[in-house]
Amino acid sequence: QVTLKESGPGILQPSQTLSLTCTFSGFSLSTYGMGVGWIRQPSGKGLEWLANIWWDDDKYYNPSLKNRLTISKDTSNNQAFLKITNVDTADTATYYCARIGELGDFDYWGQGVMVTVSS
Amino acid sequence: DIVMTQSPTSMSISVGDRVTMNCKASQNVGSNVDWYQQKTGQSPKLLIYKASNRYTGVPDRFTGSGSGTDFTFTISNMQAEDPAIYYCLQHKSYPMYTFGAGTKLELK
Repeated sequence: QVTLKESGPGILQPSQTLSLTCTFSGFSLSTYGMGVGWIRQPSGKGLEWLANIWWDDDKYYNPSLKNRLTISKDTSNNQAFLKITNVDTADTATYYCARIGELGDFDYWGQGVMVTVSS
Repeated sequence: DIVMTQSPTSMSISVGDRVTMNCKASQNVGSNVDWYQQKTGQSPKLLIYKASNRYTGVPDRFTGSGSGTDFTFTISNMQAEDPAIYYCLQHKSYPMYTFGAGTKLELK
């Protein structure tokens, strides 16, 4: 059974760095073809893809945010991470992690974690 | 960058009716389009992958079609549990993924 769960700070101040963790089970990021992606959704708005990381440590970022994003993984502990530097109120959103299926789709999603950026 | 334009923005449909929504890509994305359902307060769920393949456990009233730049998502027989926002996602411009803005489906 595949599960993913996001965790984060809840609230942080503008200019700080947001650190998010995705803890998953039911698959391994050391397995050929596996990947995890991060997607966010401001309240009442649509989905925005942020970044993907793959079993071979390939990493891909949304170009509009690339300079602020860092994705990484800890294969031994079944975790993936996302850092966003220099946050502002526009980064307030629910952040999801999702497994990337064999054909590139997001086939399993976490429940999401709400992050608020406020002074 | 590839832009995915979804239409309509919202729809109000009666139980038992047919629902059709569209997603248009700004460039050829082949069949690399998925459809997701997001109910209020829930995470998105994969319904259709690679334009026309129903994901495991998805009822057969949900279908997808299209290739290239024009994609269609259909619910053949609207049910009371189907109100949600439906999103298309392209991943042809790998590794860049792009979501459409969503179509909100409500019960009339």
